[in-house]
Amino acid sequence: AQSVTQLGSHVSVSEGALVLLRCNYSSSVPPYLFWYVQYPNQGLQLLLKYTSAATLVKGINGFEAEFKKSETSFHLTKPSAHMSDAAEYFCAVSDRSSSYKLIFGSGTRLLVRP
Amino acid sequence: GAVVSQHPSWVICKSGTSVKIECRSLDFQATTMFWYRQFPKQSLMLMATSNEGSKATYEQGVEKDKFLINHASLTLSTLTVTSAHPEDSSFYICSAIQGSQGQPQHFGDGTRLSIL
Repeated sequence: AQSVTQLGSHVSVSEGALVLLRCNYSSSVPPYLFWYVQYPNQGLQLLLKYTSAATLVKGINGFEAEFKKSETSFHLTKPSAHMSDAAEYFCAVSDRSSSYKLIFGSGTRLLVRP
Repeated sequence: GAVVSQHPSWVICKSGTSVKIECRSLDFQATTMFWYRQFPKQSLMLMATSNEGSKATYEQGVEKDKFLINHASLTLSTLTVTSAHPEDSSFYICSAIQGSQGQPQHFGDGTRLSIL
């Protein structure tokens, strides 16, 4: 069965520093991949998605992610963290052969220090 | 575009009450809608998948008679928590998807349900 691993339940960076949130998937067939952000007491907002076009995907709020098939990874990055980036981030995959279901990672809480 | 509205955002009620949560896609027709439950500091747990005009497909361990889902139109799905008890208190989130594979799910803002 498809699974998603997000390394690090918490990541803390200084404002202005590089943000790197890790995501690895388990499928041998590249799935559809998504990153979502969740602010407290809110739903999820789509940051970006990979569906088989360019391997470097640019999203909203300055985030981007690179799909690496050899590493089965889809890590999320942002060159310079802003205080407003503090939130919970979820990586999710959708199997190309099944329904539209999403399999979510356990989430990573990003903390941004002033 | 792709806005999903969920209502109410917060509800507090007594044990034994039934609570209905609405999920609407405002600017697109949703072929499929999903209902999730999220416990504090945890990821989302899929409860059921809902397609317009057909019965919802529930995930293993989710009680169909407890969590009634109705997907009456391409823009509206409802989740009714029947005879709610304190253990049903949680954050419930819906999402909707339009069209084909690879399209992202668009999420509502969630409903915080507190059963006294």
